[in-house]
Amino acid sequence: KQEVTQIPAALSVPEGENLVLNCSFTDSAIYNLQWFRQDPGKGLTSLLLIQSSQREQTSGRLNASLDKSSGRSTLYIAASQPGDSATYLCAVKNRYPDSNYQLIWGAGTKLIIKP
Amino acid sequence: EAGVAQSPRYKIIEKRQSVAFWCNPISGHATLYWYQQILGQGPKLLIQFQNNGVVDDSQLPKDRFSAERLKGVDSTLKIQPAKLEDSAVYLCASSFSGGVTYEQYFGPGTRLTVT
Repeated sequence: KQEVTQIPAALSVPEGENLVLNCSFTDSAIYNLQWFRQDPGKGLTSLLLIQSSQREQTSGRLNASLDKSSGRSTLYIAASQPGDSATYLCAVKNRYPDSNYQLIWGAGTKLIIKP
Repeated sequence: EAGVAQSPRYKIIEKRQSVAFWCNPISGHATLYWYQQILGQGPKLLIQFQNNGVVDDSQLPKDRFSAERLKGVDSTLKIQPAKLEDSAVYLCASSFSGGVTYEQYFGPGTRLTVT
């Protein structure tokens, strides 16, 4: 059974720092991995989606990497800003049809950027 | 292209009352998902529809929760009677199909507080 873990659960850093958020999964037979952002009490915004055949994806100051063999993904945020404060969640989609291709979620990392 | 719409955005009710949430998916999307997200946790899938049929409702507490998608477009999720532990954000998502290649798109969520 696929399990997704995100460490740390919370992170507080000064503005301007580069930071890395971690996501690990137990079963390497994934179709893709997706990083989401969630502001308090709100819905989910997709940030980056990495296919299992890819090593990384970039969007602006965000870079997500995927190492399927080790079951790990990282989200790198460059030059952090207070507006980056949010909860970041990762989710994997297994490639098994009997899973109905549902997303398996981590619990998220709550990020606070201090001005 | 319009995104996934949900209403209401916020709802406060007392325990034992009933509540209903509405979701309008992206036009043409056959698959619709309802998630429950408790504070500090990742989303939990409650029910997945393909058109107006249920694909998976294994995690739906059927003694108090019900959902329908009668015409294969809009969907409603109902809780009756509500308990304190139902306080959560309820997320609706849709995808073109339930196949592995299709991405889920999320609505803004409904934040439910049960007092």
